[in-house]
Amino acid sequence: GESVGLHLPTLSVQEGDNSIINCAYSNSASDYFIWYKQESGKGPQFIIDIRSNMDKRQGQRVTVLLNKTVKHLSLQIAATQPGDSAVYFCAEKVWRGGSEKLVFGKGTKLTVNP
Amino acid sequence: GAVVSQHPSWVICKSGTSVKIECRSLDFQATTMFWYRQFPKQSLMLMATSNEGSKATYEQGVEKDKFLINHASLTLSTLTVTSAHPEDSSFYICSAQGDISEQYFGPGTRLTVT
Repeated sequence: GESVGLHLPTLSVQEGDNSIINCAYSNSASDYFIWYKQESGKGPQFIIDIRSNMDKRQGQRVTVLLNKTVKHLSLQIAATQPGDSAVYFCAEKVWRGGSEKLVFGKGTKLTVNP
Repeated sequence: GAVVSQHPSWVICKSGTSVKIECRSLDFQATTMFWYRQFPKQSLMLMATSNEGSKATYEQGVEKDKFLINHASLTLSTLTVTSAHPEDSSFYICSAQGDISEQYFGPGTRLTVT
C-alpha cells in the first residue's frame, strides 16, 4: 500500500540553527512530493515541492532533498526563526480512484527556542 | 491569488444535529475540491473528492450518508455532517484545485459535538 511517514515526531532547535525534517515514502513510483507547514488551528501552507526527476530544490531559506534510492525526503530550514514553529508535513501525490490525491505523512512538530 | 475560505471557522453543535461547512474558492474556479479531516496531533486524512456537478468520491471507511458533500458550483463545495456525534469532533479542512494540479487549502473548521 501507499504510505508516507516521518522519522521524528518532534524537533526542538535554537533560533538561528538549521533544521532538518525527514520523511520516508514507500511507493517507488511516486513522482511528486510537497512539504506543508501547518500552524496551530490553521490549514496547511505550501512550502516547497519537488518532482522525482530532481534530487534537490531550493527556495527562500528552505531546501528539499529527494533520495529516490532509499525513498527518503527531507526539508532543511536555514537560520530557523521562532515563526517557523509549526507542524511540518510531507505529502505525496498518488493516483487513486481515477484521480490525483494527496497522501500526508504523520507530521513533525518543530519548536524554535529563542 | 488562490484563496480558499471556509465557513464557519468553528462550530459547536449538539449530538444528533447536522452541521454544514462551506468551502469557497474566492479568486479562481475549482473544478475539484477535497475534504480532509484532522484529529488532534494527527495528520490530514482525505475524506472525499468532489468534482463540480457530479457525485463525490469517498475514501474507504468514510460514510457517504453521514458526510454529505455537494459541489454545486465552481466556487463552492459544502460538507454536511449529519446526525453528528462526539466522535465526529475534528478539524475539517477543504482544498480546491483549478486548472493546475496544485491544491489550495482553506483555513479549516473546528467542529465540536457535545
